[in-house]
Amino acid sequence: AQSVTQPDIHITVSEGASLELRCNYSYGATPYLFWYVQSPGQGLQLLLKYFSGDTLVQGIKGFEAEFKRSQSSFNLRKPSVHWSDAAEYFCAVATNAGKSTFGDGTTLTVKP
Amino acid sequence: DVKVTQSSRYLVKRTGEKVFLECVQDMDHENMFWYRQDPGLGLRLIYFSYDVKMKEKGDIPEGYSVSREKKERFSLILESASTNQTSMYLCASSSWDRDGYTFGSGTRLTVV
Repeated sequence: AQSVTQPDIHITVSEGASLELRCNYSYGATPYLFWYVQSPGQGLQLLLKYFSGDTLVQGIKGFEAEFKRSQSSFNLRKPSVHWSDAAEYFCAVATNAGKSTFGDGTTLTVKP
Repeated sequence: DVKVTQSSRYLVKRTGEKVFLECVQDMDHENMFWYRQDPGLGLRLIYFSYDVKMKEKGDIPEGYSVSREKKERFSLILESASTNQTSMYLCASSSWDRDGYTFGSGTRLTVV
């Protein structure tokens, strides 16, 4: 069965600083990988996805993620964080059966 | 703008009541999902459906049932609500595994 680990429960960065959120997955076949963002009291919004091709994928809101098969990782990055990026971020892996398994999430706090 | 609409943002129900949570999507997606989200436990899959009148149990189906009579509508039913079903409930839909999910805004259910 697939699984997702987000090692960092909570991260604090200063506005304007760079950001990297970690995600490790476990899945036997080629994974379909996703990052979602959730603002307080809201549903989740898809930031970006990877299923094949270029291992560096671009998403919305200036985010990017890099797939590294050798490390079973799919880390999310942003060069310069804005106060509006404060939210909870979820990594997910999908099987070819269409179900997604989510990590437990990383809460991002942005300091002024 | 494509949407997944959950009928209620907030609900308060009494223990033992039968509760219906409704979800409608306008994207002609085949797949629909119900998750619950609790602090420290992440997103847990309750039920999902790949087609009309079809349903599959997720990881925590006990105490819940679902109905999918039309492609666009997926209902979650709490047969006899209990306090441990107080949670945020998230509905999602997808066309297939590569696309990721589109989530509704969530229903925060409180059972008293």
